[in-house]
Amino acid sequence: EVQLVESGGGLVKPGGSLRLSCAASGFTFSSYTMNWVRQAPGKGLEWVSSISDTSSYIYYADSVKGRFTISRDNAKNSLYLQMNSLRAEDTAVYYCARDALGMDNWGQGTLVTVSS
Amino acid sequence: EIVLTQSPATLSLSPGERATLSCGASQSVSSNYLAWYQQKPGLAPRLLIYDASSRATGIPDRFSGSGSGTDFTLTISRLEPEDFAVYYCQQYGSTITFGQGTRLEIK
Repeated sequence: EVQLVESGGGLVKPGGSLRLSCAASGFTFSSYTMNWVRQAPGKGLEWVSSISDTSSYIYYADSVKGRFTISRDNAKNSLYLQMNSLRAEDTAVYYCARDALGMDNWGQGTLVTVSS
Repeated sequence: EIVLTQSPATLSLSPGERATLSCGASQSVSSNYLAWYQQKPGLAPRLLIYDASSRATGIPDRFSGSGSGTDFTLTISRLEPEDFAVYYCQQYGSTITFGQGTRLEIK
């Protein structure tokens, strides 16, 4: 069974940093592109970033470019999102999702709250 | 960036009725790389349809997708009580974007 488990969310002050993790199991992690998608409270889905299977290709939404960094460790079956210079508008539930003809598996999400 | 516009914003129907949800793209979606997701409160989205018309694993056949280019449709043939949720379209033919969602509510 495919499992994706996010962690690392929490309360952080504006301008602060946070690192999210996503632990993958039940599939060959190193064979898949992975994504981060976020959802602000009461709002829709927003794609944040994608990383290819070997980290050769990395993409970011304009809203986070230059502030967030996606990475992965295939030996540890883990996906990461380093978030710097956080803003109030980054407050959201952050999901990791496997990319396979659409995003076919999602984690349960981790809540990031940016507030003073 | 391709902007996806979903309509209607809210759809009120009764169980047993047919639901038709639309997703319009600001420019043609490459290779019809369009997906549909269902999301219930407090849960992660669930993939329903990929490549505009292919059902994801385990999705009931009352869900169907159609369309090409800039106009796409998700149809639920006969609504079950568990189908009332928010639905999102997403394109992955270029930089990924999502539509703003359609809320399907019980009338």
